[in-house]
Amino acid sequence: GDSVTQMEGPVTLSEEAFLTINCTYTATGYPSLFWYVQYPGEGLQLLLKATKADDKGSNKGFEATYRKETTSFHLEKGSVQVSDSAVYFCALSEGFGSARQLTFGSGTQLTVLP
Amino acid sequence: GAGVSQSPSNKVTEKGKDVELRCDPISGHTALYWYRQSLGQGLEFLIYFQGNSAPDKSGLPSDRFSAERTGGSVSTLTIQRTQQEDSAVYLCASSLAVGQQETQYFGPGTRLLVL
Repeated sequence: GDSVTQMEGPVTLSEEAFLTINCTYTATGYPSLFWYVQYPGEGLQLLLKATKADDKGSNKGFEATYRKETTSFHLEKGSVQVSDSAVYFCALSEGFGSARQLTFGSGTQLTVLP
Repeated sequence: GAGVSQSPSNKVTEKGKDVELRCDPISGHTALYWYRQSLGQGLEFLIYFQGNSAPDKSGLPSDRFSAERTGGSVSTLTIQRTQQEDSAVYLCASSLAVGQQETQYFGPGTRLLVL
């Protein structure tokens, strides 16, 4: 079945540091890939997505590129801020048959220190 | 416009009692999903509704769990004879249409604690 493997957390960085959160996936077909973010006390929000190979999703300074050859969708940000402290979830959707739901990774807790 | 809303935001119940959790999707969204977020299991899919089609119940963990969606809008997730392992945050999401490219929009969740 489908699965998503995310970098284990927690991750602690200083403000303005470079961030990478690794995500790899296993899927039957050609899924869409997503990063969701959960800020403290809030619900899940879509951060970015990519729907086909080599697509790059970007939002709020975050980027991730859909790499079919390595089945990866790593999240990056060049300079993190304290306000980026949150839990980040990588997810995929195959969108056919019974696989329309999102399959999530385990989440990575990010703390950014001033 | 309004996002996905869920009620109650918190629910404490005793083991063996039944609970009902409510979800109001974004107006016009045809697809509705329930997920569960727990410490041990992460985010798990429970059930999916698309329009008037039969729901996809493949993620429901036991027959104590059921859900319905009335009039293609509001959904209720019911857990009968609750157990302590049912304690989790129950999340509802909706999307405009069906398809792998569709973004799912999540509600704030209902935090369920079974004593």
